[in-house]
Amino acid sequence: KAGVTQTPRYLIKTRGQQVTLSCSPISGHRSVSWYQQTPGQGLQFLFEYFSETQRNKGNFPGRFSGRQFSNSRSEMNVSTLELGDSALYLCASSLVHYNEQFFGPGTRLTVL
Amino acid sequence: GQQVMQIPQYQHVQEGEDFTTYCNSSTTLSNIQWYKQRPGGHPVFLIQLVKSGEVKKQKRLTFQFGEAKKNSSLHITATQTTDVGTYFCAGNERGNTGKLIFGQGTTLQVKP
Repeated sequence: KAGVTQTPRYLIKTRGQQVTLSCSPISGHRSVSWYQQTPGQGLQFLFEYFSETQRNKGNFPGRFSGRQFSNSRSEMNVSTLELGDSALYLCASSLVHYNEQFFGPGTRLTVL
Repeated sequence: GQQVMQIPQYQHVQEGEDFTTYCNSSTTLSNIQWYKQRPGGHPVFLIQLVKSGEVKKQKRLTFQFGEAKKNSSLHITATQTTDVGTYFCAGNERGNTGKLIFGQGTTLQVKP
């Protein structure tokens, strides 16, 4: 069974731009969560989607948004990028929301 | 909001020594999960604890969930160089499953 895939793996943007990251969960997994990982803040929960509905949201500004499609693939978008948005963005999928999460390799975003 | 604190932040041990990391939540948890992230990698699920006072073992790793379901620990007996990495606990707040809050992680270095 293929694992969680994330595209792109690396991204360089400049302040003020916007970015869209993509995540394909493990086949059959309907819950997709997004996390931001930085050296200073660790792993921070962004949001969780299940059956195309956002069920949980972390404490991030409205510039961070996401969506889930009917095939469970998910995208997250960050608008008006700031230098502090530079981070590793991890997507994780699970069969049901309270079970073990399978992480993708992440997208390394650098904002210049 | 829910906070999960993890100590210590770093631990350097000689190969063969034991290692323990502790996790404390500000709220009662429905379950707690442990993950390991190798340098340059993504978090990989180790185990989930659900019951109050639960103890689970995986070879040299012992996981405990506190009686009040607010704290947990991971103990590694006789560390090996393959144990190097960052160990994260992550809690699902009771009544709010799906929003996994991660501790800051404990980075383990093992000297051969």
